[in-house]
Amino acid sequence: NAGVMQNPRHLVRRRGQEARLRCSPMKGHSHVYWYRQLPEEGLKFMVYLQKENIIDESGMPKERFSAEFPKEGPSILRIQQVVRGDSAAYFCASSPRDRGETQYFGPGTRLLVL
Amino acid sequence: GNSVTQMEGPVTLSEEAFLTINCTYTATGYPSLFWYVQYPGEGLQLLLKATKADDKGSNKGFEATYRKETTSFHLEKGSVQVSDSAVYFCALSDRVGAQKLVFGQGTRLTINP
Repeated sequence: NAGVMQNPRHLVRRRGQEARLRCSPMKGHSHVYWYRQLPEEGLKFMVYLQKENIIDESGMPKERFSAEFPKEGPSILRIQQVVRGDSAAYFCASSPRDRGETQYFGPGTRLLVL
Repeated sequence: GNSVTQMEGPVTLSEEAFLTINCTYTATGYPSLFWYVQYPGEGLQLLLKATKADDKGSNKGFEATYRKETTSFHLEKGSVQVSDSAVYFCALSDRVGAQKLVFGQGTRLTINP
């Protein structure tokens, strides 16, 4: 059973470009979480999605960031008009259900904005 | 709101030394508690967890006990190895709502041979 897959592993963008980060959850997992890790800091929750639904986006910046988890295909975290402060590692985690189920993390996408 | 406070790092120990990384939390209700480990350039791996008071999580020689009275979940290992060098994160998860994880700031551990 493959683990959580994320791609790309590394992404370089210039200021003002768009960044698209993809996450394929573990097989059988229908819950996806996105977290951001700034350099030398812990992870901060961004958004929680189930298939076709955003359940909690309380950690998402109000502008430029969006997330989706369509019925078919991976979850996408989209950052429009990137700025240098968006440089970070973005981790996706999945779980089979809520109610205390363990979250399993992908290897992350390291975004660098020049 | 919920929060997790971890022992400041970095921590440097010699091989076979005893390890303690302190973790305390603030939460409403009864969260689940976790330790995750992050090796260089990789994602987080679950190390151990505990879901209720007095539970002890253990894995790979690491242990942590859920102490409700002191709101703590300290990580311990009796004899560390060079391969244990990594960043360790304490985290909690609400049992209601989004179940999102709230992380401490991480503790970087280096073990010297």
